[in-house]
Parts: sequence; C-alpha cells; structure tokens
Amino acid sequence: QSALTQPASVSGSPGQSITISCTGTSSDIGDYNYVSWYQQHPGKAPRLMIYDVSNRPSGVSNRFSGSKSGNTASLTISGLQAEDEADYYCNSYTSTTTLVIFGGGTKLTVL
Amino acid sequence: QLQLQESGPGLVKPSETLSLTCTVSGGSISSGRYYWAWIRQPPGKGLEWIGNLYYSGSNHYNPSLKSRVTISVDTSKNQFSLKLNSVTAADTAVYYCASGGSFGGGACFEAWGQGTLVTVSS
Repeated sequence: QSALTQPASVSGSPGQSITISCTGTSSDIGDYNYVSWYQQHPGKAPRLMIYDVSNRPSGVSNRFSGSKSGNTASLTISGLQAEDEADYYCNSYTSTTTLVIFGGGTKLTVL
Repeated sequence: QLQLQESGPGLVKPSETLSLTCTVSGGSISSGRYYWAWIRQPPGKGLEWIGNLYYSGSNHYNPSLKSRVTISVDTSKNQFSLKLNSVTAADTAVYYCASGGSFGGGACFEAWGQGTLVTVSS
C-alpha cells in the first residue's frame, strides 16, 4: 500500500492562509471519513490536530480546519503564525490489509 | 488524560530482536476505550505505522512488518510492548507508542509518547 501523497513543502507569510493536500484512493480517503492530521515540531512527537476529516480535538486552535473532496483531504491553517512552522502529516484508515496509512509529510515554512 | 512513555535499549545489533515497552498512565490499558499502537520514524523521514493492539487482545500489523513483529500487553504493569526480530539498519528509527479511542476507525492516534531512538548497528 503506497503512502498518501502530500506536497513536500508549502510556505506562507504571517497572517496568511495555507492549504496542505493529501491524496489517496477509494480504498482510504475516498470511501471513509477517517482522515487525521498531525503537527510535528523538530525533535518532538506528533500532535493530533484534526480527526475524522474536520474535527478538532480540545485545545487545538480554530485556525486549523480540515475538509475532504473525493480522494483528497485538505488541512487549512488560517492566520499563519511563526509557531505553526512544522511538519504536517495526514493519515487515514484504509480498507486494505494495511489498516493505517500515512502521508509522506509536508514541511510548512512561515516566511 | 493519557500519558505514554517508551523505554528500552537505544542500540541493537543486526539480526537481533528490538524490544521496547510503553508505560501508560492516566488510564487503564485494560479499558475498552482505547487501542494501543507502535509507530516509527526513520531519521529525516516520515511516519510508518507498525501495528495496533486492541483491548480484546487482538492485533493488526503492518503487512510489510507482520512476519517480524509482536505487540503484547502486560495489564499488571499497565504496559504494552513491541518486539521486532531480525533487525537491520533499515529498522533504525525513533519509535513512538501511541493510543487511540473514539475516532478514526482504528487509525487515529490521540496520545503519543515522546519517542525513543533505536539504532541498529554492530
């Protein structure tokens, strides 16, 4: 099972909005609303930011939002802040024998 | 909320078995509310799911690692463990234990340990 496809990098200026895409197949993102997004700062463990496509865990800023269209999920960060600079990973449930699949990660740079 | 902490050797020789333990606090590992997982990240690379352990005692492993992996639980110590045998340099990674519960169909990880680097080298 190949990884979900994410852009290697995105960038934006403070205050702007950016969107990170995550493309899968009908075996994962396309057929199931089980997409999650994680933020990872250097040397730190990943932190859950979005679950089940568009839900935010308690404590996560409402500047983070998620959506899905067809086989592609998206994470949007509005009002970019310097602290948002990190790596972001999507993951999904998959109906294949793998069960869990991750994207390759996207490095967000705040200019 | 749940807190997880990995422990184990930081250096393993090629062909030997990597063994790690995750100690859980803030909740019972026997609770049917959670599932427990191991996830790894090679240096400078992305995340790779290793497997899940469910409160029923059943497991689900990544097919690419299934022949070498065992995830088990010790309820008396509120711990779960990872064993990966016949390791090679390609198994060098930061290993995270994690847990999930109500979301994601078994694929969403709400709590994570801090991670532990395991290097495979002679």
